[in-house]
Amino acid sequence: AQSVTQPDIHITVSEGASLELRCNYSYGATPYLFWYVQSPGQGLQLLLKYFSGDTLVQGIKGFEAEFKRSQSSFNLRKPSVHWSDAAEYFCAVGATSGGSYIPTFGRGTSLIVHP
Amino acid sequence: EAQVTQNPRYLITVTGKKLTVTCSQNMNHEYMSWYRQDPGLGLRQIYYSMNVEVTDKGDVPEGYKVSRKEKRNFPLILESPSPNQTSLYFCASSLRGGPASYNSPLHFGNGTRLTVT
Repeated sequence: AQSVTQPDIHITVSEGASLELRCNYSYGATPYLFWYVQSPGQGLQLLLKYFSGDTLVQGIKGFEAEFKRSQSSFNLRKPSVHWSDAAEYFCAVGATSGGSYIPTFGRGTSLIVHP
Repeated sequence: EAQVTQNPRYLITVTGKKLTVTCSQNMNHEYMSWYRQDPGLGLRQIYYSMNVEVTDKGDVPEGYKVSRKEKRNFPLILESPSPNQTSLYFCASSLRGGPASYNSPLHFGNGTRLTVT
């Protein structure tokens, strides 16, 4: 079965600083990989996704993520954080099992942005 | 507007009193799913449905029931709620539930915060 690990429960950055949120996955084949963001009181919104092709993917709100097969990682980055980026971020891996689609989410990383 | 609508947003109930949380999507999506979100545990899948009349257990199905009689609706039923079901619940849908789901990521509702006393 697939699994996702987000090793950082909380990350604190200053506004304007760069950001990297870590995600490691475990899955036997090439996975579908996603990053979602959850703003307070809201549902999750897709930031970006990867399945094949260029290992550096661009998403909404200026985010990007890089797939590194050798490290089983899919880290999320942003060069300059804005106060509105404060939210909970979830990495997810989507895998098929017996014809069904089973998305698995990490435990989330809470981003705190200091002015 | 394309959306997933959950009701109610907040619900406080007592142990053993049956309740239903409704979920409706207007995007003609085949795949629908329920998650619960708990601090430190992230999102865990309760049940999912690949299409009408097709449902299956997720990671934490105990104490929950679902039905998928119509494509747009996927209610979550707690026949006899207990305090350990106090949580934040999310309904989600996507166009497809199989490998093609890559191009149809999950759309989430705004959540239902349930408290069972």
